[in-house]
Amino acid sequence: GAGVSQSPRYKVAKRGQDVALRCDPISGHVSLFWYQQALGQGPEFLTYFQNEAQLDKSGLPSDRFFAERPEGSVSTLKIQRTQQEDSAVYLCASSSLARAYNEQFFGPGTRLTVL
Amino acid sequence: GNSVTQMEGPVTLSEEAFLTINCTYTATGYPSLFWYVQYPGEGLQLLLKATKADDKGSNKGFEATYRKETTSFHLEKGSVQVSDSAVYFCALNSGGSNYKLTFGKGTLLTVNP
Repeated sequence: GAGVSQSPRYKVAKRGQDVALRCDPISGHVSLFWYQQALGQGPEFLTYFQNEAQLDKSGLPSDRFFAERPEGSVSTLKIQRTQQEDSAVYLCASSSLARAYNEQFFGPGTRLTVL
Repeated sequence: GNSVTQMEGPVTLSEEAFLTINCTYTATGYPSLFWYVQYPGEGLQLLLKATKADDKGSNKGFEATYRKETTSFHLEKGSVQVSDSAVYFCALNSGGSNYKLTFGKGTLLTVNP
């Protein structure tokens, strides 16, 4: 595709519900990142994949958060038993290589609101 | 650990004014430095980058110079336009295997005609 796409764009969940957020990276990009952006803050790193391997999940805030990328392309971020503090914009980014100087291309984000 | 500190916003300027948004950082190793921009209703876009000390990144009239001695990467533009109104984020990515971006909190810029 032309860019990184994410779905849904908006998600409202009741506290305690499970949600799944999808990311379609740019075709051929081996690196995929998830970030969480709270209102009025900069994005914060959650997890990183290189192809299908999850190489870093140090930013996941709790064991309620789980991410996968089974075929090295589309990725899903799942949040179980959502809490109000999970309300944020979840950003996905992809990059052709995991190099320090490489540009990460961001999707439009999924805005999650937990009531 | 890595951190980025940006000047607090919001910043409001008149068209054709000079812009500076300050950014300082703390990092291990030799980071690459970035400015990302988020226009209203759009996703984050890379504005410019610099990968080593004394490099100057530039794009769309914006520029920033990687100053290792002052650990700074200030964003400047000589004459802003209404279309530059957006949120600007300074970010870094350390060398080696530390590929994840560390962002500042962002600075909201509003340019009035």
